[in-house]
Amino acid sequence: GQNIDQPTEMTATEGAIVQINCTYQTSGFNGLFWYQQHAGEAPTFLSYNVLDGLEEKGRFSSFLSRSKGYSYLLLKELQMKDSASYLCAVRDGDSWGKLQFGAGTQVVVTP
Amino acid sequence: DGGITQSPKYLFRKEGQNVTLSCEQNLNHDAMYWYRQDPGQGLRLIYYSQIVNDFQKGDIAEGYSVSREKKESFPLTVTSAQKNPTAFYLCASSMLGGGGNQPQHFGDGTRLSIL
Repeated sequence: GQNIDQPTEMTATEGAIVQINCTYQTSGFNGLFWYQQHAGEAPTFLSYNVLDGLEEKGRFSSFLSRSKGYSYLLLKELQMKDSASYLCAVRDGDSWGKLQFGAGTQVVVTP
Repeated sequence: DGGITQSPKYLFRKEGQNVTLSCEQNLNHDAMYWYRQDPGQGLRLIYYSQIVNDFQKGDIAEGYSVSREKKESFPLTVTSAQKNPTAFYLCASSMLGGGGNQPQHFGDGTRLSIL
């Protein structure tokens, strides 16, 4: 079966750093995606990891360890607009397109 | 501008009624997907399609139907057999190939409620 776990909610202060962890157990692995979703809106693509290591994109970085079934999304220099839900999604062994999503982590940024 | 258009934004269904949610994309993407999102839960896959005139059931296909007569369009019908249809419905599309690194792009969603 498929199992993707993320914390339900995290709170951090504007300007701080927050790390959102994602662990997965899937029937195969062909990449991990992070999406940002503001309330009532469409998810937007943030990052993609398929090899072990860190991918950096501006204030956002994503890390993957395939042997541990683990990823994290790092948000630096937090801004109020970063308050949103962050979704971890795994592409399983069927490589053509299907994703399994975690329930999402709600990040609340406080002044 | 290229993108995915879902309509309507809000939809109400009466008991015993079928309703159809529209999804159109002009990104020239091969694959299209329908997801359902409930509060506190992740996106769950309803149906997906890789090419025209072909589609497969996802994890929660019961009570739903789709068609893919054109590459650009992937409408979802919520039938009366779906007893708990109240949810946020999201349509997505992606290119295929590239070793699986093509992200899915999402429409703005349709919020369906029961009258």
